Amino acid sequence: DIVMTQFPDSLAVSLGERATINCKSSQNVLYSSNSKNYLAWYQQKPGQPPKLLIYWASTRESGVPDRFSGSGSGTDFTLTISRLQAEDVAVYYCQQYYIPPLTFGGGTKVEIK
Amino acid sequence: QVQLVESGGGVVQPGGSLRLSCAVSDFTFSSFGMHWVRQAPGKGLEWVAFIRYDGSDKYYVDSVKGRFSISRDNSKNTLFLQMSSLRTEDTAVYYCAKGPPGAGSYHPYYFDSWGQGALVTVSS
Repeated sequence: DIVMTQFPDSLAVSLGERATINCKSSQNVLYSSNSKNYLAWYQQKPGQPPKLLIYWASTRESGVPDRFSGSGSGTDFTLTISRLQAEDVAVYYCQQYYIPPLTFGGGTKVEIK
Repeated sequence: QVQLVESGGGVVQPGGSLRLSCAVSDFTFSSFGMHWVRQAPGKGLEWVAFIRYDGSDKYYVDSVKGRFSISRDNSKNTLFLQMSSLRTEDTAVYYCAKGPPGAGSYHPYYFDSWGQGALVTVSS
């Protein structure tokens, strides 16, 4: 199984500042035949189901604010919130879909400093 | 607005069985792959199972193979998860989730819509 490791486990960022979340996969999730990274990011607020933010490592889901961006390739990926807002307080998860079983990172909790 | 509504959760003893349902609306259910994902209390997310748009192929996480069965009724726009031989470690909120269009109808990809979840508690 592909193990997804996120770091840090939590971070506190001032409003308007940048938040950076890292995700590392134990195996490459870049499919060479189509040059796509099989990596998604989700946001989960307390008491709510997760919400899709990013897929194919860097494609923003419709309706997601452009302050959220995804980058990286192969085994190393980053979710960046460019200007943190109060409503961004949540736990963020990365997920690989390169090969079943689909696996998630352990989550990163983002709070306001 | 895609809607997914889980039902059938509850308290069950270890070794028991439970069947979850997920009623969907506002999209063409028969065209999309569907998943179950669970979250133990205070823990992270764990993918459980996937079923192809037409039910012709299914995938499971190892920990539930032989105990859980995913199925669907496209005529009733409903997804199911039959759970048997339940263990205390199966205690979780179970989410029904929709796969994306295109290849996501055939293969387990990411999840573009989620239900609110159904709590399953396995306890004596």
